[in-house]
Amino acid sequence: DADVTQTPRNRITKTGKRIMLECSQTKGHDRMYWYRQDPGLGLRLIYYSFDVKDINKGEISDGYSVSRQAQAKFSLSLESAIPNQTALYFCATSVRAPTGGRGTDTQYFGPGTRLTVL
Amino acid sequence: DAKTTQPNSMESNEEEPVHLPCNHSTISGTDYIHWYRQLPSQGPEYVIHGLTSNVNNRMASLAIAEDRKSSTLILHRATLRDAAVYYCILKGRGSTLGRLYFGRGTQLTVWP
Repeated sequence: DADVTQTPRNRITKTGKRIMLECSQTKGHDRMYWYRQDPGLGLRLIYYSFDVKDINKGEISDGYSVSRQAQAKFSLSLESAIPNQTALYFCATSVRAPTGGRGTDTQYFGPGTRLTVL
Repeated sequence: DAKTTQPNSMESNEEEPVHLPCNHSTISGTDYIHWYRQLPSQGPEYVIHGLTSNVNNRMASLAIAEDRKSSTLILHRATLRDAAVYYCILKGRGSTLGRLYFGRGTQLTVWP
């Protein structure tokens, strides 16, 4: 079984609809992240959470919100979807490295959700 | 985070070694060099990371220049499954937000 799962894998919706993307992990990691990827580009960070009570905005958080329901679950919501939110969305997890700070921690990614907003 | 420069694309034949270069001339002393790859229709996958010394693992080797301004990811025997976009990323102790900065990476094509 995959360590990081995302649901749904594909979603087509209409402008103005509220959408929730879910991420679950069995790795026991405390840190979770949401990224989006647009065609031909790298990933950009939307939100991140270092533990259940810690939620932080990334570089492109406008139009998105998140909920960390438990250590293992991190959901991303689009309150009112718009066409330029059409993208691939990835959830990732990591655990704080014992040494080296953030320089050494590695991230583990889910399979992604392909979202299309018409 | 300091930026990296990679070729847009590279090609290799199956079972041949592949050397993927990365330039990072503004690297700081505490920046680790990470490599991730993204297979078609999948999320990025961690490959390897290092600080100063060369590193080996079951997937690849990482050769780091003595001045640390460049590094090379080495796939010893390319397989068709190694066709992917390879990202070279720098992460420091104080790495902003704990994030990974993904540039455009190098698209590796492997020919049978």
